[in-house]
Amino acid sequence: GIQVEQSPPDLILQEGANSTLRCNFSDSVNNLQWFHQNPWGQLINLFYIPSGTKQNGRLSATTVATERYSLLYISSSQTTDSGVYFCAVDAGGTSYGKLTFGQGTILTVHP
Amino acid sequence: DTGVSQDPRHKITKRGQNVTFRCDPISEHNRLYWYRQTLGQGPEFLTYFQNEAQLEKSRLLSDRFSAERPKGSFSTLEIQRTEQGDSAMYLCASSHTPGNYGYTFGSGTRLTVV
Repeated sequence: GIQVEQSPPDLILQEGANSTLRCNFSDSVNNLQWFHQNPWGQLINLFYIPSGTKQNGRLSATTVATERYSLLYISSSQTTDSGVYFCAVDAGGTSYGKLTFGQGTILTVHP
Repeated sequence: DTGVSQDPRHKITKRGQNVTFRCDPISEHNRLYWYRQTLGQGPEFLTYFQNEAQLEKSRLLSDRFSAERPKGSFSTLEIQRTEQGDSAMYLCASSHTPGNYGYTFGSGTRLTVV
């Protein structure tokens, strides 16, 4: 099946810093999503981005489908950005609709 | 619409007991998914429904696990004869097809088997 690798596994920032999280995937995809899992376990959908670039406030994401990677940018980080960030992909075909998740990036933002 | 709802939020059970979880998806979503997440890992796919039809089951879903989605609305996930290895967060999500605008997850049910 498709493999999803996220880097870095852990990231510690001071409030106000910028960061870039990376997601590499091993095959073509028809869906890619970024999620933020808060300390209570809730997975919040940040972006649905199978290709191209999207922005939402301090967050933006870019997926280069032909090169099989996606980036999540967090600017001017805040303590509330802390949590685990997951990239998840849907490889389509017989796996259509099923998301395969990476291992996540644990982000800690200190005040 | 208040999103995807899961009940209960937490469940502690003794090994060997049966447990059932419920998921209410976003009403206009025709797809419903179950995932399991253990500590330090990303969620893993268990099964999904399109309307009332169960279209795929993961190899992770042993014979002790069963899921239903009667009438294509809410879904239940039952675990029979629970084992300590079943302790995990069970996550439900829904999406709409065609169009595939992405998943919305519920808050999950955290199961602890003692």
